[in-house]
Amino acid sequence: TQLLEQSPQFLSIQEGENLTVYCNSSSVFSSLQWYRQEPGEGPVLLVTVVTGGEVKKLKRLTFQFGDARKDSSLHITAAQPGDTGLYLCAGGRVRGSNYQLIWGAGTKLIIKP
Amino acid sequence: DTGVSQNPRHKITKRGQNVTFRCDPISEHNRLYWYRQTLGQGPEFLTYFQNEAQLEKSRLLSDRFSAERPKGSFSTLEIQRTEQGDSAMYLCASSSPGQGHYGYTFGSGTRLTVV
Repeated sequence: TQLLEQSPQFLSIQEGENLTVYCNSSSVFSSLQWYRQEPGEGPVLLVTVVTGGEVKKLKRLTFQFGDARKDSSLHITAAQPGDTGLYLCAGGRVRGSNYQLIWGAGTKLIIKP
Repeated sequence: DTGVSQNPRHKITKRGQNVTFRCDPISEHNRLYWYRQTLGQGPEFLTYFQNEAQLEKSRLLSDRFSAERPKGSFSTLEIQRTEQGDSAMYLCASSSPGQGHYGYTFGSGTRLTVV
């Protein structure tokens, strides 16, 4: 059972279009992290949201944490070919002495020029 | 600071052989994590160190897998008697105390292919 569901699994759009990808769970998280991963490389952290309802912007990327801290969205405005990659969300929660990350399976995004 | 470094980047091995991967975390990070990732999936947690202590190990980690971090700096992950199902990207990440909440820094990974 996937604790964090990402949708869509795959998205291919033209340069200049807008898109939103989603990260949903029935569990509450203390933080939600978004990463982008390119083929053959490790994930690179984009942003962390920690407060319910929080919105963070990173240039053309807007991240939102749900009010109940169970879900998150990533909106990209005027997508560019450089945005192509695998977008992963990870929910954080404390478990014993460790801070545990629960990962989604990712959204594979292709932006066509 | 050069970030998290992993070696080798690629490894091809025959089934039944042993392999060892190395991870050098960011120097001031005392927490180090190993993950495995297969195509189309998110990273799967394997094990976690705080300094030299291995504090958590996934139940998915069979006894063929062992990890060490002898001096609390670099870490090694060894897989004995490799199987084709071990083929995956092995990722290492690090964080400083209290910073895991805000995100991990990953290395570029080691791609293992078992033939």
